[in-house]
Amino acid sequence: GVTQSPTHLIKTRGQQVTLRCSSQSGHNTVSWYQQALGQGPQFIFQYYRKEENGRGNFPPRFSGLQFPNDSSELNVNALELDDSALYLCASSLRGDPGYTFGSGTRLTVV
Amino acid sequence: AQSVTQPDIHITVSEGASLELRCNYSYGATPYLFWYVQSPGQGLQLLLKYFSGDTLVQGIKGFEAEFKRSQSSFNLRKPSVHWSDAAEYFCAVGNSGGYQKVTFGTGTKLQVIP
Repeated sequence: GVTQSPTHLIKTRGQQVTLRCSSQSGHNTVSWYQQALGQGPQFIFQYYRKEENGRGNFPPRFSGLQFPNDSSELNVNALELDDSALYLCASSLRGDPGYTFGSGTRLTVV
Repeated sequence: AQSVTQPDIHITVSEGASLELRCNYSYGATPYLFWYVQSPGQGLQLLLKYFSGDTLVQGIKGFEAEFKRSQSSFNLRKPSVHWSDAAEYFCAVGNSGGYQKVTFGTGTKLQVIP
């Protein structure tokens, strides 16, 4: 399946954070979602072949990387209190938007 | 732009009773449609998906959903609910071209009472 690390994280406003994700074996596309408490997941961006090929309504301080083994990172700079959320990584095969999700990283910004 | 509406924020059913969760979508072409389930503090698990073909889709855990193009709906059903089905359920719509953005609804929280 999809694994994410860490499971929980507490950061101070203004700091930077890196979240990690290992895709399901054989999957070549990675998407990241932000889920605020009591809300549905919101699309941040998607990576395919190490290139960002789609982004939701998130500012540039949200950035990502995809590595040759299809693992991925989500980086958030200049953290704000509203960035507190569950961050979900999802992998899939190009052409099949049926995601496999990880269990998420719970980020708290204080 | 694609969007999903789940009109019921919270539903309570008795164990053993039938369940129907409503979902309406907006999409310009033939959509990819999904239902996911999320237990507290966990990621999302795919219950079922519809791409094309038979409009009645069978999923895991005894769930099924029916695609109705004329009503832009994709309602989730289960004939007999178990206490372990208590969770939050998300309907989602995805696109078929370019990058694969999947848009989620706001979710329906299911409570099961004995």
